[in-house]
Amino acid sequence: EAGVAQSPRYKIIEKRQSVAFWCNPISGHATLYWYQQILGQGPKLLIQFQNNGVVDDSQLPKDRFSAERLKGVDSTLKIQPAKLEDSAVYLCASSFNRREQYFGPGTRLTVT
Amino acid sequence: AQSVTQLDSHVSVSEGTPVLLRCNYSSSYSPSLFWYVQHPNKGLQLLLKYTSAATLVKGINGFEAEFKKSETSFHLTKPSAHMSDAAEYFCVVSDRGAGNMLTFGGGTRLMVKP
Repeated sequence: EAGVAQSPRYKIIEKRQSVAFWCNPISGHATLYWYQQILGQGPKLLIQFQNNGVVDDSQLPKDRFSAERLKGVDSTLKIQPAKLEDSAVYLCASSFNRREQYFGPGTRLTVT
Repeated sequence: AQSVTQLDSHVSVSEGTPVLLRCNYSSSYSPSLFWYVQHPNKGLQLLLKYTSAATLVKGINGFEAEFKKSETSFHLTKPSAHMSDAAEYFCVVSDRGAGNMLTFGGGTRLMVKP
């Protein structure tokens, strides 16, 4: 069974630029999560989807971050414009029962 | 509200000696508890989980953890460390009061000396 796929693995941008991350969950997993992991900290949930609907986006900085999962499968997370403090690893996870989550390898973003 | 405290940010052991990574949690409901491992530049991998069955949980790679409700603890142990165990370990709590949302501890970096 293929795991959660994410791309790109690494991205370097300048502040005020925009960036997008892509996630392909495990086949059949209805729930998809985006986390932000700042260096030296545990992951923090940004947004949770159930199929193509948003379940929880209370921690998503909506002035600059957006996410979508239009067909209930793949998802894209966008930052526009990026700030220095957005430098982090962005992790995507999926779940079939909303109890056990399976994580992708992450995208490491560096904002200069 | 749920929360997790990992009591040590860094733990260093010698290869072949026991490993103990400490975790305390707070939860208003009967929690599910997890330990995840993260190797450098890799995603999070589930080591083991407790979901209200046996209080001693065995996971992959020889790790195990014991749920102690009276102490609100879920410490991770391994009898003998290997060099390949060097990684970041996260204790995680989830309960239905938070919609099964995962709350991560701050992580413990395990270093294994030859």
